[in-house]
Amino acid sequence: NAGVTQTPKFRVLKTGQSMTLLCAQDMNHEYMYWYRQDPGMGLRLIHYSVGEGTTAKGEVPDGYNVSRLKKQNFLLGLESAAPSQTSVYFCASKGTSWDTEAFFGQGTRLTVV
Amino acid sequence: GQSLEQPSEVTAVEGAIVQINCTYQTSGFYGLSWYQQHDGGAPTFLSYNALDGLEETGRFSSFLSRSDSYGYLLLQELQMKDSASYFCGGLNTNAGKSTFGDGTTLTVKP
Repeated sequence: NAGVTQTPKFRVLKTGQSMTLLCAQDMNHEYMYWYRQDPGMGLRLIHYSVGEGTTAKGEVPDGYNVSRLKKQNFLLGLESAAPSQTSVYFCASKGTSWDTEAFFGQGTRLTVV
Repeated sequence: GQSLEQPSEVTAVEGAIVQINCTYQTSGFYGLSWYQQHDGGAPTFLSYNALDGLEETGRFSSFLSRSDSYGYLLLQELQMKDSASYFCGGLNTNAGKSTFGDGTTLTVKP
C-alpha cells in the first residue's frame, strides 16, 4: 500500500531552470495539496486541488503552477527556478474536505543554486 | 485567514509528561489537528479535535477550547522516539485546507 508517493526525492537546479515534481496517490482521494516547508517553519500551502481537472491557489502560489489531469496525480511545476524556492516540498491528500487526516508524501528536497 | 502560534522548542526527560500549546486566530475554523514530524520525514497525523474537550489516543491526548481559541497536545510517558517536531493545524471549511503553526521541536533527554 504505497499511499502518497513523491518523485524525485532530491534535486539540485540552477537558477532559471524548470522542473516538475510529481505526486501520486493510490487511495482514490479527491483532495490534493502542495506545501513547502522552510527551515524552522511550518507548512505553507502553495496550490491545491479539489478533484480531477481543478486547481486553486494557496497562500504562496507565485512562481509555481500545477495540474491535475488525472485524479491520482498532482503535478507541481517551477517554470524558472529561483534560490528563494529552495525548500522541502510536501504533497498531501485526503478523501473529502471534512476528512480530518491528511496523508503526506515523503517530501522532495529541492536546492536552487 | 488563519494564524496559529506554538512554542518553538520544548525539552523534557524520558518518562515525563509534556504539554505543547497552540493558540489560533482564524475564520472558517472547523477543528484543530496535530501532526508529528521526525527530522527529514513526512508529517504524520496524531489527533484531531472538532469539539471542545479532550481526545485521548494512547499516550497522546489533545484538547480544544473554542471559546479561548486554544488547544494543546499532551504527551505522557515520554520516550526517546518522541523527539520530533509537532505541528498544530487549523482545518478550514474551505476545501478542507489546513493552516499550520511553525511547529514545536520536542527534545526528550535520558
